[in-house]
Amino acid sequence: EVQLVESGGGLVQPGRSLRLSCAASGFTFDDYAMHWVRQAPGKGLEWVSGISWNSGSIGYADSVKGRFTISRDNAKNSLYLQMNSLRAEDTALYYCAKDHEGIAAAGTLFDYWGQGTLVTVSS
Amino acid sequence: DIVMTQTPLSLSVTPGQPASISCKSSQSLLHSDGKTYLYWYLQKPGQPPQLLIYEVSNRFSGVPDRFSGSGSGTDFTLKISRVEAEDVGVYYCMQSIQLPLTFGPGTKVDIK
Repeated sequence: EVQLVESGGGLVQPGRSLRLSCAASGFTFDDYAMHWVRQAPGKGLEWVSGISWNSGSIGYADSVKGRFTISRDNAKNSLYLQMNSLRAEDTALYYCAKDHEGIAAAGTLFDYWGQGTLVTVSS
Repeated sequence: DIVMTQTPLSLSVTPGQPASISCKSSQSLLHSDGKTYLYWYLQKPGQPPQLLIYEVSNRFSGVPDRFSGSGSGTDFTLKISRVEAEDVGVYYCMQSIQLPLTFGPGTKVDIK
């Protein structure tokens, strides 16, 4: 059974940093691209970032480019999101999502999602 | 970026009746490989989204056949032939022909 478990969320002041983690199990992690998708309270879904199976291809939404860094450790079956210079508008539930292929390119789809970890940016 | 729009934004349906949601994209989602990269997700209350339909009209594993997708180019439709109580939630369309991946604003479906 595929499982994705996010952690690392919490309350953080504007301008500070936070690192999210996603522990994956139930599938061969290094065969698949992975993504972060967020959802602000009461709002819709926003793709944040994606990374290919070997970290060779990475993409970001414009809203986080230059502030967030996605990475993965295939030996640990883990996905990460380093979030710097956090803003109030980054407040959201952050989901880890598995791609159905190894490269986050045209045709990407999310076939499994975690339950999310909540990030609240407030002073 | 490709902008996705959905209509209606909310829908109240009597159980057993059909429902239809429209999704439009600001650019064609037909890729040079011949595939159209339009997807439908359902987010049930308190849950993460779940994949319903991929590449316009293909039901994902375990999705009931009352769900169907159609369309081409920039205009797409999700239909539920007979709505059941478990179908309540927010339905999102999504494109993945290019980055950034973008979602529609969502259509909230509830039961009358």
